[in-house]
Amino acid sequence: EIVMTQSPATLSVSPGERATLSCRASQSIRSNLVWYQLKPGQAPRPLIYDASTRATGIPARFSGSGSETEFTLTISSLQSEDYAVYYCQHYNEWPRTFGQGTKVEIK
Amino acid sequence: QITLKESGPTLVKPTQTLTLTCTFSGFSLTTSTVGVGWIRQPPGKALEWLAFIYGNDDKIYSPSLKSRLTITKDSSKNLVVLTMTNMDPVDTATYSCVRSYYYDIRYFDLWGQGTLVTVSS
Repeated sequence: EIVMTQSPATLSVSPGERATLSCRASQSIRSNLVWYQLKPGQAPRPLIYDASTRATGIPARFSGSGSETEFTLTISSLQSEDYAVYYCQHYNEWPRTFGQGTKVEIK
Repeated sequence: QITLKESGPTLVKPTQTLTLTCTFSGFSLTTSTVGVGWIRQPPGKALEWLAFIYGNDDKIYSPSLKSRLTITKDSSKNLVVLTMTNMDPVDTATYSCVRSYYYDIRYFDLWGQGTLVTVSS
């Protein structure tokens, strides 16, 4: 199965600053990658799919890039509601696998 | 409105079988192009995909848990059922059902709120 590795595990960012999250796949997944945002008590929300396409209703401050094995999620200017845990997941094949998550916390 | 909702026991004993039900609305599970599955998240740990069933009844299981899982559907009642045998305390987690498609939207575009299952004697 494809192993997804996220870094860092925790990212401390001040409001208004940029956050850059990384996700690496153990083999090529082309652009078959999605980023989710998880908040306590809420259902996970897809942010970016196909590595770089924003899901419906997602603010433009969220952007995704990358292909094959290296991917990045960028939050250009952190808002209070963006402090959460972010997971990447591939859908190139079964089994679908997730990264270990990156927690974005207030600095 | 398109929704997914999980139901089932909140507490099971070790060695027991867990049965969870996902009741969905706003779409039908009758074609090969759409499916419903299950994902879990132990407290403080990462997400783990478990099983998936398409509308044509094709089923896919996590290789590491395949021997313990069974997924079924009742399209007429809009529900998907997951059973997991021989439960252990390490299976304590929030279990969520999800939707995905065979084409286009191949990620999990819709999630339920999840249900916490605790395994303890």
